[in-house]
Amino acid sequence: DAKTTQPPSMDCAEGRAANLPCNHSTISGNEYVYWYRQIHSQGPQYIIHGLKNNETNEMASLIITEDRKSSTLILPHATLRDTAVYYCIVRGYSGGSNYKLTFGKGTLLTVNP
Amino acid sequence: NAGVTQTPKFQVLKTGQSMTLQCAQDMNHNSMYWYRQDPGMGLRLIYYSASEGTTDKGEVPNGYNVSRLNKREFSLRLESAAPSQTSVYFCASKQGGGASYGYTFGSGTRLTVV
Repeated sequence: DAKTTQPPSMDCAEGRAANLPCNHSTISGNEYVYWYRQIHSQGPQYIIHGLKNNETNEMASLIITEDRKSSTLILPHATLRDTAVYYCIVRGYSGGSNYKLTFGKGTLLTVNP
Repeated sequence: NAGVTQTPKFQVLKTGQSMTLQCAQDMNHNSMYWYRQDPGMGLRLIYYSASEGTTDKGEVPNGYNVSRLNKREFSLRLESAAPSQTSVYFCASKQGGGASYGYTFGSGTRLTVV
C-alpha cells in the first residue's frame, strides 16, 4: 500500500469548512483513497473513499487531484463534534492486501468555537 | 442494529494472566480484524479473518491468538499477558474485499497489564 503524509494537526473555526490534505505520491492505479476519523476514546469511523473521481456523501467531500498524488477531505460546515484524528489511507485490492488497513498517525483536527 | 460489539470495555490483568477479548458483529460481514492502538501511534493490525474458517497474522501477532468461532464472532486471546500488551484493542468488520465497503469498528477494550 502507498505511503501517505498528513499534517500532524490543524485548527478550524466552527461553521467554517475544514480542508484536510493528504499526500500519496506513490499511489498506484488500483489503489483507493480512504478517510477515517477517530473521536477521542472511540473506535475509528469510516467517512468516505474514492479512486479517481471526486466523491461526496452526507459527511464529507473527497477531492482527488488529476494525477492522484494528493487528495483533500472537506467537512463543509465543521462543528465541535468533528474534533477528531483524521486518517488518510491508500489501499489496493489485489491479493493479500484485500484484508489489511494500515493506519498512520493522522491529522488532529481541532474545531474551535 | 448494534454493529460491532466488544467485551469487556475495560480490563486489568496481572503479568502472566490470560484472557480472551470477545468481538461480535451483526451485519453479516465476511471479514473481521483485531487492531491495537498505543499512545501517539496509529492502529496496528494484530490478526484478521478474511472469511469464516480462516485467520492470518497482521503486523504485530506475537503474544496473541485468535479464533473465528463463526461468521459473527472473532475472539482475541492473550495466553500470558505482558506489560507491553497494555493498549486499546479494537475489533472491526467488513463486508468483503470490494471497493464499496468501509470498515466498521467496535468501541474498544482498554487493557492494562500490571
